[in-house]
Amino acid sequence: DGGITQSPKYLFRKEGQNVTLSCEQNLNHDAMYWYRQDPGQGLRLIYYSQIVNDFQKGDIAEGYSVSREKKESFPLTVTSAQKNPTAFYLCASSPRTSGSRYEQYFGPGTRLTVT
Amino acid sequence: QKEVEQNSGPLSVPEGAIASLNCTYSDRGSQSFFWYRQYSGKSPELIMFIYSNGDKEDGRFTAQLNKASQYVSLLIRDSQPSDSATYLCAVTANQAGTALIFGKGTTLSVSS
Repeated sequence: DGGITQSPKYLFRKEGQNVTLSCEQNLNHDAMYWYRQDPGQGLRLIYYSQIVNDFQKGDIAEGYSVSREKKESFPLTVTSAQKNPTAFYLCASSPRTSGSRYEQYFGPGTRLTVT
Repeated sequence: QKEVEQNSGPLSVPEGAIASLNCTYSDRGSQSFFWYRQYSGKSPELIMFIYSNGDKEDGRFTAQLNKASQYVSLLIRDSQPSDSATYLCAVTANQAGTALIFGKGTTLSVSS
């Protein structure tokens, strides 16, 4: 059963703590992405990775870090430097074959609340 | 700053009617265009994509693209209450298609 999994579904943390969000895909997609969604703000790109061991900053990378050690996995760490970490975090993946046009498929998301 | 604009709505239509959702984008270099449906509290689901000018139909959904006007739309025929959701328009951010820019979405409400 192919797809993208994110865990946990809900996450609660105290201010000042780092937290890592998991994203795994078994679709054999090369590219993976992290977005943040706030009410009324739409999706904003945090980081993306097109191949293993390589990633690029998106529009709002400050206070976040990522790694891409395996094709299937793209974890996101929300650090204590992120000013407003409470949000809905969405992971996506995309094929990069010559026949595709970079459509992205999303995981179920992790809702992070920091108090 | 590249932008994708959508009317936030809500767009209210009666069951069985045609819902028309519109999107404009600022970057003439955008190559690929996507429509996602997002139910409240859930993640976005890809429902349509279009790359060439004209219409593309898939079941009750039709995507329309006009690159000269930088305009893309989604028509939903025979609207059902289950179509009530927020619809996100997304376009490729660059020629390589390595990222997407999303609009803020239009909320559709279909009344029975």
